[in-house]
Amino acid sequence: DQQVKQNSPSLSVQEGRISILNCDYTNSMFDYFLWYKKYPAEGPTFLISISSIKDKNEDGRFTVFLNKSAKHLSLHIVPSQPGDSAVYFCAAPWRGAQKLVFGQGTRLTINP
Amino acid sequence: DTGVSQDPRHKITKRGQNVTFRCDPISEHNRLYWYRQTLGQGPEFLTYFQNEAQLEKSRLLSDRFSAERPKGSFSTLEIQRTEQGDSAMYLCASSPGLNNSPLHFGNGTRLTVT
Repeated sequence: DQQVKQNSPSLSVQEGRISILNCDYTNSMFDYFLWYKKYPAEGPTFLISISSIKDKNEDGRFTVFLNKSAKHLSLHIVPSQPGDSAVYFCAAPWRGAQKLVFGQGTRLTINP
Repeated sequence: DTGVSQDPRHKITKRGQNVTFRCDPISEHNRLYWYRQTLGQGPEFLTYFQNEAQLEKSRLLSDRFSAERPKGSFSTLEIQRTEQGDSAMYLCASSPGLNNSPLHFGNGTRLTVT
């Protein structure tokens, strides 16, 4: 039962353009969402989060949008830089213990 | 903040052997988590500790798996009688346990069972 889904395994974007990564969830009990970034041979690192009481959260080049009615969130990166090339995971805490449920990940490649 | 440390980084073992991994969390973090990640998938929750107490185990954690966190500091994850299906990246994470505080992950231990 995949409660958090990332349906695009990969995405390729030109440097300087906007990258948009998408995530869908099925559990309406989720009230907080996180994005993690993972480079090869490293663990995931926290990028940005959003509470369900908001529909947008911004941190520098990164913005996360939440559409609760559609059970959908997206991560926007603008402008995209070569160092943004990584695998991005969306996640949500389950049962209040910060036990994160992760999506399958989207591999973002930024082309020069 | 020295980060979450995991040892070893890589482990190759033959089927049927036992392996043990170690995780040292960020020192002031009282929650410690173990996750497993296979190719093309996101990390999957295995178990977590609040201080030295193991509070939850996933059904993914078969009887061959055991985790400990003596004295609420470092943790070990042991897999007995390894199987090829155990090959994966084993990730440890810690958090201060505050509401919605993000997990801090280590760089993982990659296990290959031949």
